[in-house]
Amino acid sequence: ETGVTQSPTHLIKTRGQQVTLRCSSQSGHNTVSWYQQALGQGPQFIFQYYREEENGRGNFPPRFSGLQFPNYSSELNVNALELDDSALYLCASSQDVIGETQYFGPGTRLLVL
Amino acid sequence: AQSVTQPDIHITVSEGASLELRCNYSYGATPYLFWYVQSPGQGLQLLLKYFSGDTLVQGIKGFEAEFKRSQSSFNLRKPSVHWSDAAEYFCAVGARGTGGGADGLTFGKGTHLIIQP
Repeated sequence: ETGVTQSPTHLIKTRGQQVTLRCSSQSGHNTVSWYQQALGQGPQFIFQYYREEENGRGNFPPRFSGLQFPNYSSELNVNALELDDSALYLCASSQDVIGETQYFGPGTRLLVL
Repeated sequence: AQSVTQPDIHITVSEGASLELRCNYSYGATPYLFWYVQSPGQGLQLLLKYFSGDTLVQGIKGFEAEFKRSQSSFNLRKPSVHWSDAAEYFCAVGARGTGGGADGLTFGKGTHLIIQP
């Protein structure tokens, strides 16, 4: 059973650019959640996808968007990058939205210059 | 809205000594509660979780946590720490009826554990 994987591991972008981060969920999991972890902080919930539909969203602007594919892998897209978007982006998968633990990938570290 | 407070930003413990990391939560109903550990530059690894039932839960690596509804607490304990336990520890709360669900998990700011030889 493979765990949650994310790509790329590191990324450097400049302000105003767009970025796409990718996540492959753990085998058998149909729900993917994305979190942003700024340096020295706990992760903050961005949004969640369940069976290819956005199932909930945290306090993030619309320039943060996502997709989930039929194989339950997911993408996080961020448009018009700002310096404050520099963070570790974590993807977590779970088997269902109801009562299941989220398992986290290693994250993608994004630096915006 | 739910919230999690980890009062201790840093804790230093001698190797072999006992450990308790504090977590207090705010949530309108009985929550799902989690403890995760994060090593430098890594993702989060689940240590243990509380959904229902026995309020003392056992996790991996010799950790345990106790859910106390009256105190809105879910403190993490270990009887004897090892140097490899040095890491960042996060407490998180999830909405009941979901695995995070529409609101996702709400995390505390973390406690940085330092192990002295």
